[in-house]
Amino acid sequence: EPEVTQTPSHQVTQMGQEVILRCVPISNHLYFYWYRQILGQKVEFLVSFYNNEISEKSEIFDDQFSVERPDGSNFTLKIRSTKLEDSAMYFCASSVQGQGGYEQYFGPGTRLTVT
Amino acid sequence: GENVEQHPSTLSVQEGDSAVIKCTYSDSASNYFPWYKQELGKGPQLIIDIRSNVGEKKDQRIAVTLNKTAKHFSLHITETQPEDSAVYFCAAANNDMRFGAGTRLTVKP
Repeated sequence: EPEVTQTPSHQVTQMGQEVILRCVPISNHLYFYWYRQILGQKVEFLVSFYNNEISEKSEIFDDQFSVERPDGSNFTLKIRSTKLEDSAMYFCASSVQGQGGYEQYFGPGTRLTVT
Repeated sequence: GENVEQHPSTLSVQEGDSAVIKCTYSDSASNYFPWYKQELGKGPQLIIDIRSNVGEKKDQRIAVTLNKTAKHFSLHITETQPEDSAVYFCAAANNDMRFGAGTRLTVKP
């Protein structure tokens, strides 16, 4: 069964450094998403992406975040200058159509630890 | 924006009993309501969903109900099993998807 994959599973970085989290969505899906989950808290929407541009973004997704689909398979989230409060699980998701009304399938997540 | 409230935050039931988790949402434009199950160290897994033109949906031991007028929806799990133990999240979506805070369900054998 096709699934969303994410790399790395765990990333440790120092405050102020740039990180890139990678995702490979399900191959026939056209909509891509990033979510964040701080330990023990709810899953929070960051951004959705379709047709090589951002469709929606939340108040969390400020100028230090960016997303890109550099090739036909990868979808990346870049955090330009990490802060301690960026420590969280980051989940990528994809859907055939979107955004509301269509099933989103989540990857296993990348645990980002900022020290 | 959309605000989703979920209750209870923790729920403990005996194996074989039913479990009910309730959510409310604020944005009347939301039209899609999925439920996700998250096991420790894994990503959320979609278990059932309902759209705003439907009042109830059932899939084996899992059912979801939606009351659009009252803006609330519920997850019902019958004949619970220990492997149902996990954190369950409701969500409401229109242009983006907003999650509830989660319910930690423990099914005791």
